[in-house]
Amino acid sequence: GAVVSQHPSWVICKSGTSVKIECRSLDFQATTMFWYRQFPKQSLMLMATSNEGSKATYEQGVEKDKFLINHASLTLSTLTVTSAHPEDSSFYICSAERSGLGQYFGPGTRLTVL
Amino acid sequence: EDQVTQSPEALRLQEGESSSLNCSYTVSGLRGLFWYRQDPGKGPEFLFTLYSAGEEKEKERLKATLTKKESFLHITAPKPEDSATYLCAVRILTGGGNKLTFGTGTQLKVEL
Repeated sequence: GAVVSQHPSWVICKSGTSVKIECRSLDFQATTMFWYRQFPKQSLMLMATSNEGSKATYEQGVEKDKFLINHASLTLSTLTVTSAHPEDSSFYICSAERSGLGQYFGPGTRLTVL
Repeated sequence: EDQVTQSPEALRLQEGESSSLNCSYTVSGLRGLFWYRQDPGKGPEFLFTLYSAGEEKEKERLKATLTKKESFLHITAPKPEDSATYLCAVRILTGGGNKLTFGTGTQLKVEL
C-alpha cells in the first residue's frame, strides 16, 4: 500500500519560534499534497493544497504567511509554522494524492507550543 | 454549501453485534466518497473509495455502500480491534483542484 511519512512525529517548542514539518511519499510520486490540522475530538480541517512546483492554495481563514508550505519535489512537502504561539498547538496531518486512488495520509505531527 | 454529516457521533457495540455507520452528504460535483479509519494519535488509514450510487466494497468485516445521498459502513460481527474513529469524506472538484471535505466521524467502541 501507499506509504506517507511525517517528521517529526511530535515537537515541543517555545512561543515565537518556527517549526518545520516534513511530509514524504515513500513509494509513489505525488504532484499534490495536502495539509490538515485536527483539534482533539474534532475532524480534519484542510489548511492548504500543495502542488509541486507552484504556490500552495490556502483555505479561507488560514494565514499563508504564518503557515508556509513548500512542495519542492514530487515526494516532499514541508509546512513551516512561523512564530508559533500556544493556539497553534494541534495535530498536523499531511496527505499525498495518488493518481486515481485518492489521498493517503501520514501519521501526523503533534505540535505543542509552550 | 457542501456538507458531510456522520451519525451516530459515538457507538458502543458488544463483540459480534453488527451495526451500520451513516454518512450523508449534500455536495455538487461529487468525485468520490472515501472511508477512513483513525486510531487515537494517528493519521487516517484508507479503507474504501466509492464513486457511483449502487457501488459496494468489502474488506474483512467492513462493507461500504453508496446511494445518491448517503453512504453506509456496515460492520459485521465486530471485534475489539475494530474500535476506532471512522471518518467519511467526499471529494469535490474546486477551482483549486480536488479536495476532501470530512465529516466529524463516528467513534466506535467494541467491547468484549
